[in-house]
Amino acid sequence: AQSVSQHNHHVILSEAASLELGCNYSYGGTVNLFWYVQYPGQHLQLLLKYFSGDPLVKGIKGFEAEFIKSKFSFNLRKPSVQWSDTAEYFCAVNGKTGGSYIPTFGRGTSLIVHP
Amino acid sequence: NAGVTQTPKFQVLKTGQSMTLQCAQDMNHEYMSWYRQDPGMGLRLIHYSVGAGITDQGEVPNGYNVSRSTTEDFPLRLLSAAPSQTSVYFCASRTGAYSNQPQHFGDGTRLSIL
Repeated sequence: AQSVSQHNHHVILSEAASLELGCNYSYGGTVNLFWYVQYPGQHLQLLLKYFSGDPLVKGIKGFEAEFIKSKFSFNLRKPSVQWSDTAEYFCAVNGKTGGSYIPTFGRGTSLIVHP
Repeated sequence: NAGVTQTPKFQVLKTGQSMTLQCAQDMNHEYMSWYRQDPGMGLRLIHYSVGAGITDQGEVPNGYNVSRSTTEDFPLRLLSAAPSQTSVYFCASRTGAYSNQPQHFGDGTRLSIL
């Protein structure tokens, strides 16, 4: 069975600080990895995804993530956060179950950015 | 382009009442799913469907029923609501029954069981 672990449950930063959110997964097959963002009171939106190829993936709003296969990690980064990045961030992995890809989500990281 | 539409947005129920949460998508997506979101627990899969007439259980299916009579609709039924089912419920869909693409989410239904 697949699993996703997000180590940082709550992160508080000041504007312009750098961000790195950890995500480790457990799955024996080929993985597809995602980061979603949920702004306060809104639904989840896709931030970026990794399927194959270049392990450094760039997403929307200046976010990027690096897939490190040897470490089973897919950490999210942003060089300089803004107040508008305050949100909850979810890492997810797609693993095959009975022929279909079933996503498993991490518990989420709540990010608060102070102006 | 409406995407994934959930109704209602808010609901308060008494213990033992029944209720159906509605979910509809207009993107002709084959795969649809229901999650519950609880503080510190992330999103947990309740049920999913890979097409009309086909449903399967996720991680936390107890207390919930689903059906998929059309491609567009995927309602979630609580037959006898319990306080433990107080949560925010999200419906999601994606293209392709067996694809690895990301999902599109609805705005959620905030459900309180008294």
